[in-house]
Amino acid sequence: KQEVTQIPAALSVPEGENLVLNCSFTDSAIYNLQWFRQDPGKGLTSLLLIQSSQREQTSGRLNASLDKSSGRSTLYIAASQPGDSATYLCAVRPRDNFNKFYFGSGTKLNVKP
Amino acid sequence: ETGVTQSPTHLIKTRGQQVTLRCSSQSGHNTVSWYQQALGQGPQFIFQYYREEENGRGNFPPRFSGLQFPNYSSELNVNALELDDSALYLCASSLAGTRGSETQYFGPGTRLLVL
Repeated sequence: KQEVTQIPAALSVPEGENLVLNCSFTDSAIYNLQWFRQDPGKGLTSLLLIQSSQREQTSGRLNASLDKSSGRSTLYIAASQPGDSATYLCAVRPRDNFNKFYFGSGTKLNVKP
Repeated sequence: ETGVTQSPTHLIKTRGQQVTLRCSSQSGHNTVSWYQQALGQGPQFIFQYYREEENGRGNFPPRFSGLQFPNYSSELNVNALELDDSALYLCASSLAGTRGSETQYFGPGTRLLVL
């Protein structure tokens, strides 16, 4: 069974710092990986989707990388802002059951002004 | 604005009762997935519907059931509620196209509290 782990569980940084969030998964047979943002009590907002054949995706200050062979993905946030404060979740879609996502427990990010 | 809406936003039930949660998919989407998110955890996949048929199920008991209607809106029904069913229930819609490539768009969720 696919297991997804996110480290750290929580992170507090001063505004302006560059930071990296980590996601690891146990089964490398994935179809794609997606990073989401969740604000308190709210639904999920998709940030970046990486297909299994891709190495990275970029959107604005966000860059996500994927190393399928080692079962790892990172989300890089440049020049963090207080508005980036949220919980960040990664989810993988397995190749043999692409109808479902396996989510990690998330990294709760606090960017201090 | 994702276009996915859910109702109600909050709900309080007692153990043993039944509950129905509703989801309206984003326009043009034909697939809906339901997730349960306990406090401090990531969402857990319950099941997915594609063109009114169940199209995959997670590790949830049969008292969790669903429906998808011709307009692609959806319901999640939970019978014989248990205290552990207290969670945020999320639905996500997508357009089934190139296999596995579609992004899921999430609604704001329904927060269920079982007393």
